[in-house]
Amino acid sequence: GENVEQHPSTLSVQEGDSAVIKCTYSDSASNYFPWYKQELGKRPQLIIDIRSNVGEKKDQRIAVTLNKTAKHFSLHITETQPEDSAVYFCAAIRPGTALIFGKGTTLSVSS
Amino acid sequence: EAEVAQSPRYKITEKSQAVAFWCDPISGHATLYWYRQILGQGPELLVQFQDESVVDDSQLPKDRFSAERLKGVDSTLKIQPAELGDSAMYLCASSYAGGELFFGEGSRLTVL
Repeated sequence: GENVEQHPSTLSVQEGDSAVIKCTYSDSASNYFPWYKQELGKRPQLIIDIRSNVGEKKDQRIAVTLNKTAKHFSLHITETQPEDSAVYFCAAIRPGTALIFGKGTTLSVSS
Repeated sequence: EAEVAQSPRYKITEKSQAVAFWCDPISGHATLYWYRQILGQGPELLVQFQDESVVDDSQLPKDRFSAERLKGVDSTLKIQPAELGDSAMYLCASSYAGGELFFGEGSRLTVL
């Protein structure tokens, strides 16, 4: 089955800096790669996603890149703000199956 | 905006007791998932339904956990007997044709 590895497990940046979180997946049939933000005690919230027919997608300060050949994808957050502090999860799914999540990255943005 | 409904939001129980969680997915979403999230970890799939059929329950501890979605709409996840290690957030999610997952607010279980 699918296996998703996520790095780093913790990331501390200064406000205004960029943050990058990387994930690798094992199943070449996976075709949908969402990123979730989870604040303490709350449900995961989808922040951006990308499908396997696209290499990059951007939404304001957030972007995701996908390298199908290497089977890895990354989340880029620019101009970080304190409210970006949360746990971020990557995930991957192949058609007909369930999302498999990475173990999460705790992002801390200090002002 | 339609949401996935879950209840109860919080449940405290003693070990060896039975607990049950309920989930009502977004109307029209044929696929329903139950995930377990232990504090500090990513959600882990327990069971996936397509309509009323189980697609994947390979990670469901079947000696104590059961899940059903009898009419292909709402679903119940049961634990009997509960163990200390079952303390976690139980998240229900639904999707339409394998697209974006919509999560409920979760049911937080504490086993004493």
